[in-house]
Amino acid sequence: AQSVTQLDSQVPVFEEAPVELRCNYSSSVSVYLFWYVQYPNQGLQLLLKYLSGSTLVESINGFEAEFNKSQTSFHLRKPSVHISDTAEYFCAVIYWASGTYKYIFGTGTRLKVLA
Amino acid sequence: DAGVIQSPRHEVTEMGQEVTLRCKPISGHNSLFWYRQTMMRGLELLIYFNNNVPIDDSGMPEDRFSAKMPNASFSTLKIQPSEPRDSAVYFCASSLVDRGSEQYFGPGTRLTVT
Repeated sequence: AQSVTQLDSQVPVFEEAPVELRCNYSSSVSVYLFWYVQYPNQGLQLLLKYLSGSTLVESINGFEAEFNKSQTSFHLRKPSVHISDTAEYFCAVIYWASGTYKYIFGTGTRLKVLA
Repeated sequence: DAGVIQSPRHEVTEMGQEVTLRCKPISGHNSLFWYRQTMMRGLELLIYFNNNVPIDDSGMPEDRFSAKMPNASFSTLKIQPSEPRDSAVYFCASSLVDRGSEQYFGPGTRLTVT
């Protein structure tokens, strides 16, 4: 069965430091990969996605993620975080099975940026 | 565009009562999703619709939960009877039917069952 694993439930980091949020997936079929961000008391918003092509994808606010097929990973990185990046981040996959798309979200990683 | 609209934003009810959550998707979107979020279980997909038809309801916890989408602009998630363990934030999301389409989430309904 397909699955998404976010091993780190919480990641504290100081402002202006780099951060990496890990996401690994398990799948026997092709997947499409997404990162969503959830700010307090809000719904999720798309941060970036990988469908095909270049394995490195970027968001407008400085985050990037790299699709690594051999390691089945899609880690999210930012070279210098801001206080405003404090939020919960979800990795998600979409895959085709049984005649329809299937959607799986990871358990989320809470990023806490410290002053 | 107003985005995905959910109502109510907060609901407090007593165990055994019926609860109805409502969702209006973004105009033009043809997929609609219901999620439940708790600290213990994270974000769970309950059910999703394509073109108003339920496609995958394998995440619906039990018969107490039901969802309908009578038209392209409205969906409901009903819990009858409600139990304290149903307390959670329920999100509705909509998108286009496409592998690459992002889901647009509503602000959520925080349900508390006492």
